[in-house]
Amino acid sequence: NAGVTQTPKFQVLKTGQSMTLQCAQDMNHNSMYWYRQDPGMGLRLIYYSASEGTTDKGEVPNGYNVSRLNKREFSLRLESAAPSQTSVYFCASSVTGTGGLTKQYFGPGTRLTVT
Amino acid sequence: GENVEQHPSTLSVQEGDSAVIKCTYSDSASNYFPWYKQELGKRPQLIIDIRSNVGEKKDQRIAVTLNKTAKHFSLHITETQPEDSAVYFCAASSKKKSSGDKLTFGTGTRLAVRP
Repeated sequence: NAGVTQTPKFQVLKTGQSMTLQCAQDMNHNSMYWYRQDPGMGLRLIYYSASEGTTDKGEVPNGYNVSRLNKREFSLRLESAAPSQTSVYFCASSVTGTGGLTKQYFGPGTRLTVT
Repeated sequence: GENVEQHPSTLSVQEGDSAVIKCTYSDSASNYFPWYKQELGKRPQLIIDIRSNVGEKKDQRIAVTLNKTAKHFSLHITETQPEDSAVYFCAASSKKKSSGDKLTFGTGTRLAVRP
């Protein structure tokens, strides 16, 4: 049981290049999330998916797209990378309960640098 | 949307002393308040959480208190140890039936425990 996995761990892009960050979970969770973490800014939600087939914007969606490929996988795409997208990206997943506690579990992160 | 403020941004304590981190939230509908610990270069890990129908919860040396009226919640760490040194994040869940659970994070508190 690997939990939440992310690839790659590190990536360097030039301005204008595109790439896709991959995330997968093996906990049969319904909901998945993409965050970015910048110094002093905490974790900010980019996009999330409450269930397979649905995606919604979070706090900072501009410059990103997502795909919920199936229940396990949720990818984040940067179509034209910009230096402002230099950050650490975390994927997370959770079980969507009906009034119960829903705990989010995080992947190990992807450190992205855009030059 | 939800807004979570966290204080202090940095905290230094002597080993064995207590540490308190405070958060406020804005959305009175928020009903779930987790705390995450993030060690350097690692993923955030859930350490304790509380639901809005509970005023206090303890787990060994850590406790969380919630004041719904004032929209405050706090993390208390007693008998601090060097391994408690990390960044701590509070969060509040703005649960929407149609869109799952979203967490809004505070900006983090860097705790240093001096031996």
